[in-house]
Amino acid sequence: GQQVMQIPQYQHVQEGEDFTTYCNSSTTLSNIQWYKQRPGGHPVFLIQLVKSGEVKKQKRLTFQFGEAKKNSSLHITATQTTDVGTYFCAGEAAGANSKLTFGKGITLSVRP
Amino acid sequence: GAGVSQSPSNKVTEKGKDVELRCDPISGHTALYWYRQSLGQGLEFLIYFQGNSAPDKSGLPSDRFSAERTGGSVSTLTIQRTQQEDSAVYLCASEGRVSNEQFFGPGTRLTVL
Repeated sequence: GQQVMQIPQYQHVQEGEDFTTYCNSSTTLSNIQWYKQRPGGHPVFLIQLVKSGEVKKQKRLTFQFGEAKKNSSLHITATQTTDVGTYFCAGEAAGANSKLTFGKGITLSVRP
Repeated sequence: GAGVSQSPSNKVTEKGKDVELRCDPISGHTALYWYRQSLGQGLEFLIYFQGNSAPDKSGLPSDRFSAERTGGSVSTLTIQRTQQEDSAVYLCASEGRVSNEQFFGPGTRLTVL
């Protein structure tokens, strides 16, 4: 079945450093989504990417969908302590009724 | 309310008892997912309902787990003969027709003693 992989599972950065994480799918995706889960909270939708090579920005966060629509990246510029949390990517394969498959997530900690 | 709600928010039970967890999705959302999240871990897919299609039960860990979605709205996840390893947060998410963004409920924290 479809697999979505996020490695590593944890990353620690110094406040102000940039951070990049990657997401890889075993199959071609129709779209990919990113979610953020703050400690003690539930996952909250951040963004969806649909087009090959698409790049979207949200303030200091930049999301990219690969040309082959099998991978994605999240880049955070100048991390802040408010960026702490677990970032999940989730991919949906093409086809009716295909379900969203989540990666295991990467937990980001930021040292002030 | 406008969001996904789940009840109870916390459930403590004894090993061997049955539990029912409820999810009220956003009105009009056709898709509903159940996930399990153990402490510090990722989201473990359990089951997926989409409209009137047969549910995708491929993530249910054993036959002690079952779920229903009545009338295309409210869903109940039932765990029979609970075990200590069932302790986790159970999250429900619903997804609309137009945007397939998932909206998560606050979860039910299940503790099996």
